[in-house]
Amino acid sequence: ETGVTQTPRHLVMGMTNKKSLKCEQHLGHNAMYWYKQSAKKPLELMFVYSLEERVENNSVPSRFSPECPNSSHLFLHLHTLQPEDSALYLCASSPGLAGDVQYFGPGTRLTVT
Amino acid sequence: QKEVEQNSGPLSVPEGAIASLNCTYSDRVSQSFFWYRQYSGKSPELIMSIYSNGDKEDGRFTAQLNKASQYVSLLIRDSQPSDSATYLCAVNPDDYKLSFGAGTTVTVRA
Repeated sequence: ETGVTQTPRHLVMGMTNKKSLKCEQHLGHNAMYWYKQSAKKPLELMFVYSLEERVENNSVPSRFSPECPNSSHLFLHLHTLQPEDSALYLCASSPGLAGDVQYFGPGTRLTVT
Repeated sequence: QKEVEQNSGPLSVPEGAIASLNCTYSDRVSQSFFWYRQYSGKSPELIMSIYSNGDKEDGRFTAQLNKASQYVSLLIRDSQPSDSATYLCAVNPDDYKLSFGAGTTVTVRA
């Protein structure tokens, strides 16, 4: 256990559905991240939040919408996804931003049908 | 040019042998370097961090960093079947981003 939890662990959704992924960190960290991991590809950084302020939106399609209500919680709202969005979505947190180690949650395995 | 490149693998080593993993990076200003291990179906877990040139040892793992050559490696001594996983090299090219390599899959043969 890294102190970062994610729910749900598995999600199957249709292209017209709306769903949300949740991440919570119990480490007292100030920065949180969303990554996408597709098969045989490097981890892709999607969003970065520091003290609830978004500092990075890495050219992610608008069908992915992040929300960070406080420094312990991070959400990823999903709507009208495409089958190519099927992947493992990982949340991570770090003490601060400056090159700190990032600790990953267990991930949500998303399948879009 | 990819920011972080790892030897493509897969790497198969016999139990008890040394597994050697290599990583090169393109951004000279990078200051923080990490190795993560990822078991199939699981999330990455940190196994080593290194910030200064030279070697850093932690149990059976040794990380080696050479900033002049933009090269970081990981040695796994006395490899065990439980070391079978994908190893990800991560480099910090600016204030907050980590750039990850595609990973090297290691299989330890009993």
